[in-house]
Amino acid sequence: GQQVMQIPQYQHVQEGEDFTTYCNSSTTLSNIQWYKQRPGGHPVFLIQLVKSGEVKKQKRLTFQFGEAKKNSSLHITATQTTDVGTYFCAGRAAGNKLTFGGGTRVLVKP
Amino acid sequence: EPEVTQTPSHQVTQMGQEVILRCVPISNHLYFYWYRQILGQKVEFLVSFYNNEISEKSEIFDDQFSVERPDGSNFTLKIRSTKLEDSAMYFCASSGTSPTTGELFFGEGSRLTVL
Repeated sequence: GQQVMQIPQYQHVQEGEDFTTYCNSSTTLSNIQWYKQRPGGHPVFLIQLVKSGEVKKQKRLTFQFGEAKKNSSLHITATQTTDVGTYFCAGRAAGNKLTFGGGTRVLVKP
Repeated sequence: EPEVTQTPSHQVTQMGQEVILRCVPISNHLYFYWYRQILGQKVEFLVSFYNNEISEKSEIFDDQFSVERPDGSNFTLKIRSTKLEDSAMYFCASSGTSPTTGELFFGEGSRLTVL
């Protein structure tokens, strides 16, 4: 079945630094979404990417969908303490099943 | 802002007991989902539901699991005979747009502890 993998599993970042988390799917995706889950919270939608090579920005967050529609990345610039949480990518191949990656848990050192 | 609500927030049960987790999706949404998350792990798809029937289910969603929408507002997940490994956070989600696009709105979850 479809698998979605994310690296790194953990990211310790100094406040103010940049980092990137990567997502890879075993199958070509029709679209990919990113969610953020704060500690003790529930996943909250951030963005959806649909087109091959698509890049979208939300303030300090930049999301990219690969040309082959099998990978994606999230880049955060100037990390802040409010960025703490787990970032999940979630991909749809066929149908309406959204398959989540394992997540990247982000810890920010002030 | 409309939200997905789930009850109970935490349920403790003995192994072998039946459990029903309840969800009230956002009112004009048509597509409903259950996911689960074992502590600190990934969010795993269980089942999707549309037009009063299951549209997709995962290998986890075996005969011990069932879903229904009994009254047009509630969406329930029943676990017939709980096992220790069913201990997890169960998230309900709903979506209002096409099932192949569109964001999922998650509830705050129901934590199930099986002893």
